[in-house]
Amino acid sequence: SQQGEEDPQALSIQEGENATMNCSYKTSINNLQWYRQNSGRGLVHLILIRSNEREKHSGRLRVTLDTSKKSSSLLITASRAADTASYFCATVLSSGSARQLTFGSGTQLTVLP
Amino acid sequence: DGGITQSPKYLFRKEGQNVTLSCEQNLNHDAMYWYRQDPGQGLRLIYYSQIVNDFQKGDIAEGYSVSREKKESFPLTVTSAQKNPTAFYLCASSKDSGGRGGRETQYFGPGTRLLVL
Repeated sequence: SQQGEEDPQALSIQEGENATMNCSYKTSINNLQWYRQNSGRGLVHLILIRSNEREKHSGRLRVTLDTSKKSSSLLITASRAADTASYFCATVLSSGSARQLTFGSGTQLTVLP
Repeated sequence: DGGITQSPKYLFRKEGQNVTLSCEQNLNHDAMYWYRQDPGQGLRLIYYSQIVNDFQKGDIAEGYSVSREKKESFPLTVTSAQKNPTAFYLCASSKDSGGRGGRETQYFGPGTRLLVL
């Protein structure tokens, strides 16, 4: 099974509300990254959090990392219809190849206007 | 206009045919990757290359081949041995090269959708 698993699989909210997505993983990581994918398009990197960091912000995004629970969350505040997309977490392991990202299966976020 | 380009956007494969997907980047990145994405799923790594003339198998390399003759280019061939090739194929690159210290983010192309006739 994949290293990262997102929860929930799908999330539907009203514009202006906050959206929270969670990611769990199994083995020790060097860093965890969140990516966004609009339907039928490539992925866009949102934010990277390293294993020695607990929280990171970027604009309306807030990411937390709890290495003891092997979990991360992505919070999008004041959501907009344009935030509608799939969101993936991806982990880089602390051992093995420096290059490999292992992706979860994603959360499909729908923001209703 | 820098970035990663993939072509074609759509590709149709006949049974028993090999097809090649193009990936080019002008970001001067050392590392390049190919992923496969099935509907409603995450990405799975097919092959990656850290430097020119070198590449490594990912998790699902069977039925695929790659080459890395130039830094800018990393074409993927889907061979007839790949029995279920219908998927969305994504190419990515990252700045870092070599060693365990680099954990850079990856930059993705727009993807190629491969369909079987």
